[in-house]
Amino acid sequence: GAVVSQHPSRVICKSGTSVKIECRSLDFQATTMFWYRQFPKKSLMLMATSNEGSKATYEQGVEKDKFLINHASLTLSTLTVTSAHPEDSSFYICSATHWADTQYFGPGTRLTVL
Amino acid sequence: TQLLEQSPQFLSIQEGENLTVYCNSSSVFSSLQWYRQEPGEGPVLLVTVVTGGEVKKLKRLTFQFGDARKDSSLHITAAQPGDTGLYLCAGLGSGGSNYKLTFGKGTLLTVNP
Repeated sequence: GAVVSQHPSRVICKSGTSVKIECRSLDFQATTMFWYRQFPKKSLMLMATSNEGSKATYEQGVEKDKFLINHASLTLSTLTVTSAHPEDSSFYICSATHWADTQYFGPGTRLTVL
Repeated sequence: TQLLEQSPQFLSIQEGENLTVYCNSSSVFSSLQWYRQEPGEGPVLLVTVVTGGEVKKLKRLTFQFGDARKDSSLHITAAQPGDTGLYLCAGLGSGGSNYKLTFGKGTLLTVNP
């Protein structure tokens, strides 16, 4: 089956710093990648949709200047949380798909902002 | 905006009991997927249902897609502690957002030994 990886799996940072999370499709070309945020024991909340080579489309209420998304290649998308604050602490999950096929999810990244 | 109502939100049962989780919507979905997620991990796809009225079985799990492709259910027979986890239904849009998944709020299942 298709594999999606995320790096890092856990990150702790100080308030005010920026953190980059990588999402990679290991054995297929991801025409579209999605970034989700998840709070404890809650469902996934879609943050943005990114297509390779174009700007990401953000969901309503998600600050695009705070959550910078880059999808520079068919196997890599990055999410950068800029000037992170404690309220940005969360579980961030990416998924990847090839032309609206099944979405394959990464293992998630736990971000803790002190 | 497409919404998926998932119920119950929490479920705690004893080993050996049966349970059903429901996902309902007023919108039509081109397909509906069920995921299981363990703490600290990403969701793992259990099944995709595509055709109205479709029934799929995965060992002790039975998935149904409503005739109108607006609702779905997951039934677990003789639940085991290993079934514990967060179950998520997600519908794939049939309109302009074909690539997006709409997630239900999830069902946190605990199966006690």
